[in-house]
Amino acid sequence: QTVVTQEPSLTVSPGGTVTLTCVSSAGAVTSGHYPSWFQQKPGQAPRSLVYSTSHKQPWTPARFSGSLLGGKAALTLSGVQPEDEAEYYCLLYFGGARVFGTGTKVTVL
Amino acid sequence: EVQLVESGGDLVKPGGSLRLSCAASGFTFSNAWMTWVRQAPGKGLEWVGRIKSKIDDESTDYAAPVRGRFIISRDDSKNTLYLQMNSLKTEDTGEYYCTTLSLKTPWLDYWGQGILVTVSS
Repeated sequence: QTVVTQEPSLTVSPGGTVTLTCVSSAGAVTSGHYPSWFQQKPGQAPRSLVYSTSHKQPWTPARFSGSLLGGKAALTLSGVQPEDEAEYYCLLYFGGARVFGTGTKVTVL
Repeated sequence: EVQLVESGGDLVKPGGSLRLSCAASGFTFSNAWMTWVRQAPGKGLEWVGRIKSKIDDESTDYAAPVRGRFIISRDDSKNTLYLQMNSLKTEDTGEYYCTTLSLKTPWLDYWGQGILVTVSS
């Protein structure tokens, strides 16, 4: 099964900017992988933030943006807030099955 | 209000079987593609499998670790999704979530509260 890799952890200061990436062992990530991003806080079910590379959910703050960067899917948080501290997962489509990334723990310090 | 309520979680021995259910309400279940996602204790999310709607032939896809052991089905008359888990392994232990996550309606984002499955001797 294809492995989807994310940074294990990232630390960002309040008001700062951080970019999370999502890499596929099968090669470059494209829009055809329909990259999605999810946020999960402790004790809670995950929640969708972005789907199909860059489409935001109605509840997704404007400071979150999804894109493709150099063969990777990316989620950029600009103007980070303390409440953004969470685990973030990408999800890629591989012609039937989908695979979650390994997850990135974002710490706001 | 949309609700997804999982049930059927239990402690089961390796090699055993278990069936999870997910009761849906608040949306047109028969039109929805439904997905199971799991999470081992302290670990990341894992996509388990998805079933399409009847109008889209009710086809299923599974993650490699569960293919051939798990079966997803649905009963639209009962608004219920199922996950039949056979030949269970210790690595199947985790929280199992029922969700509307799908490519057909990616803006539809509803999750159950999760149900714990423990596989241990």
